[in-house]
Amino acid sequence: SQQGEEDPQALSIQEGENATMNCSYKTSINNLQWYRQNSGRGLVHLILIRSNEREKHSGRLRVTLDTSKKSSSLLITASRAADTASYFCATDSSASKIIFGSGTRLSIRP
Amino acid sequence: NAGVTQTPKFRVLKTGQSMTLLCAQDMNHEYMYWYRQDPGMGLRLIHYSVGEGTTAKGEVPDGYNVSRLKKQNFLLGLESAAPSQTSVYFCASRSGNEQFFGPGTRLTVL
Repeated sequence: SQQGEEDPQALSIQEGENATMNCSYKTSINNLQWYRQNSGRGLVHLILIRSNEREKHSGRLRVTLDTSKKSSSLLITASRAADTASYFCATDSSASKIIFGSGTRLSIRP
Repeated sequence: NAGVTQTPKFRVLKTGQSMTLLCAQDMNHEYMYWYRQDPGMGLRLIHYSVGEGTTAKGEVPDGYNVSRLKKQNFLLGLESAAPSQTSVYFCASRSGNEQFFGPGTRLTVL
């Protein structure tokens, strides 16, 4: 079974609104990452948060991590049409393997 | 740099046929990965390699074999294709904690 599970599975918001996606995982981790996948493309790395960090920012992205609840959230502020994509969390509980969640499909309405 | 490339981009097989998917990276990365992605789902790890000459099983290794004879190449083989192996296959290489993905191979097994 997959390590991470994203919630919601699909999200549709108006351009300019904020989008929040959540990820829950099962085992202890070293760090957690978020990736974006545009339709028909490979995944692109967005941001990484280490297990000893609680919050991290990168441009319009804000990631939080709660290791006690084994959960993370990704916030995209002031959404744009180009943010339409699927977003995946990924965890590495071992040094070599990175396991992905099932993803959130984000649609931005103009 | 070309990054991570995959060949072929598309392939249709009949049940029982064999084929090899090629992944190449020119970034001198030690770690390489093969994932499969089914509709509406995240990526599931098939096999991975932590260096030339080494391979290891991931979450869903059955029906696949891999080889890493050269550092820059990671081959994924299907000895006897089955309809359940219809999927999009992604290769990735890793530097630090970040994975770099290829564009994917869409495989259909009839």
